[in-house]
Amino acid sequence: DQQVKQNSPSLSVQEGRISILNCDYTNSMFDYFLWYKKYPAEGPTFLISISSIKDKNEDGRFTVFLNKSAKHLSLHIVPSQPGDSAVYFCAASAGTASKLTFGTGTRLQVTL
Amino acid sequence: ETGVTQTPRHLVMGMTNKKSLKCEQHLGHNAMYWYKQSAKKPLELMFVYSLEERVENNSVPSRFSPECPNSSHLFLHLHTLQPEDSALYLCASSAGLQVSDTQYFGPGTRLTVL
Repeated sequence: DQQVKQNSPSLSVQEGRISILNCDYTNSMFDYFLWYKKYPAEGPTFLISISSIKDKNEDGRFTVFLNKSAKHLSLHIVPSQPGDSAVYFCAASAGTASKLTFGTGTRLQVTL
Repeated sequence: ETGVTQTPRHLVMGMTNKKSLKCEQHLGHNAMYWYKQSAKKPLELMFVYSLEERVENNSVPSRFSPECPNSSHLFLHLHTLQPEDSALYLCASSAGLQVSDTQYFGPGTRLTVL
């Protein structure tokens, strides 16, 4: 049973527009959430994170929103750039880095 | 070299072979991880080492045997694998085991078991 779900396997967005990637989780013990980005033939790289005590965290073009009551988080990329084309993984933790649970990923394609 | 490196990048092996995957981190981190990513499945945590001690073993079959001789090196010894073990094996490291300690991943080893 997947505790972290990314229900959209792919997303296509035009350059300059907003990309919104979604993630749902089922485990109410999760208290820290992360987004990773992965290019082909490379390992995932950390993008942004949020603690459960916050509902928003922003870093440049990237903003993560957390809705604890809905057990939902989203990653907003504004404006989207062609270099943002990658697979984005949502991950969650229940207090320790040794228990990171990942989603299956969403492939983002930013078109010109 | 910088970051986290993994060798080999690709490996094809028969079910009776014995092989090893190697991971090296140049970040001065104390924790290292092995993950498995099968097609269309999420990354699955296999093993976690902190200061060369195994702290997590997520019900991984004994045909996978990890070894952490020092805080910079991590191995995954493989023997008598099954075709369903074909996957991308990713190594990661972090400064510690705090959830805020970012995990840095290597590029992975693509394993095919025939």
